[in-house]
Amino acid sequence: SAVISQKPSRDICQRGTSLTIQCQVDSQVTMMFWYRQQPGQSLTLIATANQGSEATYESGFVIDKFPISRPNLTFSTLTVSNMSPEDSSIYLCSVKLGGWTEAFFGQGTRLTVV
Amino acid sequence: DAKTTQPNSMESNEEEPVHLPCNHSTISGTDYIHWYRQLPSQGPEYVIHGLTSNVNNRMASLAIAEDRKSSTLILHRATLRDAAVYYCILNKGNAGNMLTFGGGTRLMVKP
Repeated sequence: SAVISQKPSRDICQRGTSLTIQCQVDSQVTMMFWYRQQPGQSLTLIATANQGSEATYESGFVIDKFPISRPNLTFSTLTVSNMSPEDSSIYLCSVKLGGWTEAFFGQGTRLTVV
Repeated sequence: DAKTTQPNSMESNEEEPVHLPCNHSTISGTDYIHWYRQLPSQGPEYVIHGLTSNVNNRMASLAIAEDRKSSTLILHRATLRDAAVYYCILNKGNAGNMLTFGGGTRLMVKP
């Protein structure tokens, strides 16, 4: 199994600012995934982050708005840049341990932009 | 990716069995059927998965139709703690495949 720690758990931010969310995993993983969950909605994949390469973004998400770092096999960050109230969501980090396995999720970061 | 269809919500009484349906008529031969659930204020957690045969684990059972176009997640005795959104997801299973979430079924459990 994998234990994922996300920081911060929640934040209230001013519009126009940026927030960096950290995701720490207790084991080495090749791929990490970042999701967004808007209020009352399901989860939407933002990007897939491999260690040592550029993240792969899903349609509707761009690197300038959601830059991702993946410096090693246990850590990743997602930055929400130039925030607006529409960015108010829960952001979740997820991993798969490799091969045929279930996915594990962090508790999420609840972001409110005012 | 093949899509799944689930009822928006269901209600159950505590300590009674719950059958959560999922339709996936466009499933391919390499798609596994996964179930995850999301408790309030938490990230999703894995429940069960299967390919063709019915599966049991400590949390639930998964019944898969013979043509694989539908499946049912069975909670044998619902508890208040089982109140959550349940997601039925098709996934090819390897590490590189992210999960694509649909709307899920919100299960409400009445005492």
